[in-house]
Formats: sequence, C-alpha cells, structure tokens
Amino acid sequence: SQQGEEDPQALSIQEGENATMNCSYKTSINNLQWYRQNSGRGLVHLILIRSNEREKHSGRLRVTLDTSKKSSSLLITASRAADTASYFCATVSNSGYALNFGKGTSLLVTP
Amino acid sequence: GAVVSQHPSWVICKSGTSVKIECRSLDFQATTMFWYRQFPKQSLMLMATSNEGSKATYEQGVEKDKFLINHASLTLSTLTVTSAHPEDSSFYICSARDWRDPDTQYFGPGTRLTVL
Repeated sequence: SQQGEEDPQALSIQEGENATMNCSYKTSINNLQWYRQNSGRGLVHLILIRSNEREKHSGRLRVTLDTSKKSSSLLITASRAADTASYFCATVSNSGYALNFGKGTSLLVTP
Repeated sequence: GAVVSQHPSWVICKSGTSVKIECRSLDFQATTMFWYRQFPKQSLMLMATSNEGSKATYEQGVEKDKFLINHASLTLSTLTVTSAHPEDSSFYICSARDWRDPDTQYFGPGTRLTVL
C-alpha cells in the first residue's frame, strides 16, 4: 500500500531556480529513498537517508528527514532542464526491503 | 553500476493471451526481486516480492493465479500475465536487490503492456 504523500503534485520552475519537494509518511521506517523517473522510463535511485540521519547531500541534491514529523524533503539546487522528471519518495520499513512509494511530484524545468 | 534489464520493453497482445516479462540482473546476483505496476500518471504499486528458489509473496489484492512469478535463478525473475485483459494494460517495472548492498534496489527500464 502507498505510504508516502508528496507535495506539490506538480512544480514548474525556471532553470537556475531551486526546487523543493516534500514527502510525508505514516509508519515507522528504516530508511527513506528518493527516485527520479523520466517519462515512460524506469526509476533512477537518487539518495537514501536512514532513520537516524537528519540531512544528506549528493551533488545538487539535499535531503532532510524529520522522523518526529514523519516527513522528508528533497531540494534540487540550480535546476536544469534535464532535471525535468517525476520524483518519488519511497519508504522502507523495519520488517523488510520492499519500497512503498509516494504519489510523486512532477517537476518541469523550463529553459 | 548495477544494471537490470527487462524484456520486452513493450508488448501488445490480444485479450485472453498470456504474456511473459523477464527481469534480469546483468552484473550482480539478486536474491530478491520486486515487481511493480504503474498506471499512467500514477505511482508504483508493489505487486509481489520474489525470492530466488522460493514462492513469491504477493501484496493484498494481487491475484497469484493471474500474475505468475518465477525466480528460478539469482539473475532472472519472470512475470507472466495469464489470460490478459484490457484492464491489465499497464507499465510493469521490476527491481532487484543486490545482497551486497541490501538497502538499494536497482530498477529495470519497464515493460509497457497493452492488451487489446
């Protein structure tokens, strides 16, 4: 069953701007992951943050995790047109490795 | 990096026929593979978890007899959609977990199934 809820559902920005997406979840987690999906394609793993971590960076990506609020955010800095895609958060519980995906945020970066 | 392939990438079939989709981990051994379904503009829904050499574990609401999963080796899992109907038309994506890095799943490119 789906656990994560992303907002916004859709985001349109210009190149160079920052994009922030949020994800909320309902149950306890082992870790939370962010994925990118280009239209009609498979998913690309972006970053994983564990339940005992609060912030993680990878290149232009910054992820935060607040387990008390059961929420996470993904920040893409200095966005590029190539960042246009759907972004999903997915949680992993303590009882297994299956991913529970949120509904996703559709990001459009215009030149 | 770890690569997962799916075959075919797209398939069109008539209602009532069966379709087999293959998922292969190309450069690592996958003790666990997962099958997801994604409808247009929606998120991925986990269908089943497939462990090598054992029966798949299906999510609630997924018909075992309709979606047959076989994980016969550490690099191959297959999903067979039996007696396909138009409502089975969807994007099917597999992922594989490398036992050396169990927290990360590597996704295949997906298979677009259209049932006429």
